Amino acid sequence: NAGVTQTPKFQVLKTGQSMTLQCAQDMNHNSMYWYRQDPGMGLRLIYYSASEGTTDKGEVPNGYNVSRLNKREFSLRLESAAPSQTSVYFCASSERVGYTFGSGTRLTVV
Amino acid sequence: AQKITQTQPGMFVQEKEAVTLDCTYDTSDPSYGLFWYKQPSSGEMIFLIYQGSYDQQNATEGRYSLNFQKARKSANLVISASQLGDSAMYFCAMREGWVDYGGSQGNLIFGKGTKLSVKP
Repeated sequence: NAGVTQTPKFQVLKTGQSMTLQCAQDMNHNSMYWYRQDPGMGLRLIYYSASEGTTDKGEVPNGYNVSRLNKREFSLRLESAAPSQTSVYFCASSERVGYTFGSGTRLTVV
Repeated sequence: AQKITQTQPGMFVQEKEAVTLDCTYDTSDPSYGLFWYKQPSSGEMIFLIYQGSYDQQNATEGRYSLNFQKARKSANLVISASQLGDSAMYFCAMREGWVDYGGSQGNLIFGKGTKLSVKP
């Protein structure tokens, strides 16, 4: 099915470890986003990519890096994970007013 | 200041009744879009309805309608004939700026959500 695919779905990291969350979309959308969702909060923007080759910081970028590998793929990297980065991460893509979200990655940092 | 405010952390509604979920927004941009998403316990974000700032009529999608009051900066979601499957978190979101065809679509800014519980 067409949409946004995120991997992995679940991950447990130790403090200080690094990892990359992968996101791919097959809808030929130009814009892609990474959000995090914490309990009692809505989704907050970490980074976004308006088009292939560009990335910009969102509301909560500290501790993260991103790569827009090509039009389809937008990855999020945690270089040195901290317990404060325990969250559910959503990738999304958009074209005009249609935003499509991935199913999320539940990350726990211990 | 919060750009999207949802003042109802939790709500209950009887099955088959209508319910209104409140959302107010704050923007100085004349061009913006308002969205509602549903997040069931399984966690996925499901798009429900969209209203553009220049749309003359309130948006409707099946049992969902958006009560758009531009002067009051409110965009309340109305769910008619509630069903047990409507129990979920509901998020209001806004995208500021003009839709740039072929380019940037703008980021969604989310409220904190309302947890709706439908009672049988």
